[in-house]
Amino acid sequence: EAQVTQNPRYLITVTGKKLTVTCSQNMNHEYMSWYRQDPGLGLRQIYYSMNVEVTDKGDVPEGYKVSRKEKRNFPLILESPSPNQTSLYFCASSRIGVGDSYEQYFGPGTRLTVT
Amino acid sequence: GENVEQHPSTLSVQEGDSAVIKCTYSDSASNYFPWYKQELGKRPQLIIDIRSNVGEKKDQRIAVTLNKTAKHFSLHITETQPEDSAVYFCAASESASKIIFGSGTRLSIRP
Repeated sequence: EAQVTQNPRYLITVTGKKLTVTCSQNMNHEYMSWYRQDPGLGLRQIYYSMNVEVTDKGDVPEGYKVSRKEKRNFPLILESPSPNQTSLYFCASSRIGVGDSYEQYFGPGTRLTVT
Repeated sequence: GENVEQHPSTLSVQEGDSAVIKCTYSDSASNYFPWYKQELGKRPQLIIDIRSNVGEKKDQRIAVTLNKTAKHFSLHITETQPEDSAVYFCAASESASKIIFGSGTRLSIRP
């Protein structure tokens, strides 16, 4: 089954304790992205990757790191989480335009709470 | 950079009536405009998209229109049904990598 998976789905942590949210896709997609979703703000892109070892900042990259060592995996790293990073996080993947579509395939989401 | 504004933030319509959600974008280089539906507790899923070389696209009860000159595009849902209740996001992009989303519209269908 074609899918994007994220782990963990729920995480409660304390300020300053490093954490990693994993993301994996089995569709051989070139593009992968991380978004955060906050009430009234929609989905905001944190980082994106166009292929292995190619990453770039989105609109809200501060406090986050990513890596793309393999095509299928795109982990999100919070080196020193703070309460303002409490949010719902989505990983997404897409292929280089097939036809006219850049459809984003989203993972199930990770709800992070930083106290 | 690109900015996408979406209105209204909430919308309530009677079952069977039509619903319209509007978005404006700022970057004239944007050429791809998708709409995503997010049901409660679920992930966003693409429902329809349109390229800048097309003015309108339909898929059963949903349609999207694009006015490049005015930089706005709209989602139209006809004959609304209870399962249309969800949050809808518009987005604009000039590539597969960088997509800017609107702030979302919570659509409620009244029985």
